[in-house]
Amino acid sequence: AQSVSQHNHHVILSEAASLELGCNYSYGGTVNLFWYVQYPGQHLQLLLKYFSGDPLVKGIKGFEAEFIKSKFSFNLRKPSVQWSDTAEYFCAVTPYSSASKIIFGSGTRLSIRP
Amino acid sequence: GAGVSQSPRYKVAKRGQDVALRCDPISGHVSLFWYQQALGQGPEFLTYFQNEAQLDKSGLPSDRFFAERPEGSVSTLKIQRTQQEDSAVYLCASSYPVASGALTDAQYFGPGTRLTVL
Repeated sequence: AQSVSQHNHHVILSEAASLELGCNYSYGGTVNLFWYVQYPGQHLQLLLKYFSGDPLVKGIKGFEAEFIKSKFSFNLRKPSVQWSDTAEYFCAVTPYSSASKIIFGSGTRLSIRP
Repeated sequence: GAGVSQSPRYKVAKRGQDVALRCDPISGHVSLFWYQQALGQGPEFLTYFQNEAQLDKSGLPSDRFFAERPEGSVSTLKIQRTQQEDSAVYLCASSYPVASGALTDAQYFGPGTRLTVL
């Protein structure tokens, strides 16, 4: 079955630290990839997306993610986090052959110490 | 422009009651999706509409769950004879038209309805 794995359940960082959140998916075909963020008390928002082309994708608020097809990975990075980045982060995949649904990972809770 | 809206935001039901959850997608978005998000988990797909046609309902957990979108805009998710395991946040999302079955845009989510079944 298709699945998405987010390795870190809870990450705690200090402000200005660098961030990398891992995401791996299990699907052998073409995929579309997403990172969504859910700030406390708010709804899911799209952070960035990959459909095709340059595997290094830049999103909002200084986030970026790199698609490595050979590793089935789509890790999220940010060089210097801020306290306002405290949120839940979800990696998600849409298999190209089943474009009607997004398969989400279980999420990574990011806490930033001021 | 307005985003996806959902109502009610919170719903408390007694076990056995029927509930109806409403979703207003972004204007012009043909595709509409429902997800269920249990506490501490990522959203899980329930069903998908393209206009008024329900093209995929493979994620509906039982025949107590029913969704409709009769005019291709507003959608309602109905849960009959609610059970405690139905307690979750129900998310609605919409996206721009799908071309040839391929997703051409991300899905945009509403705030969700938090359902608590006592």
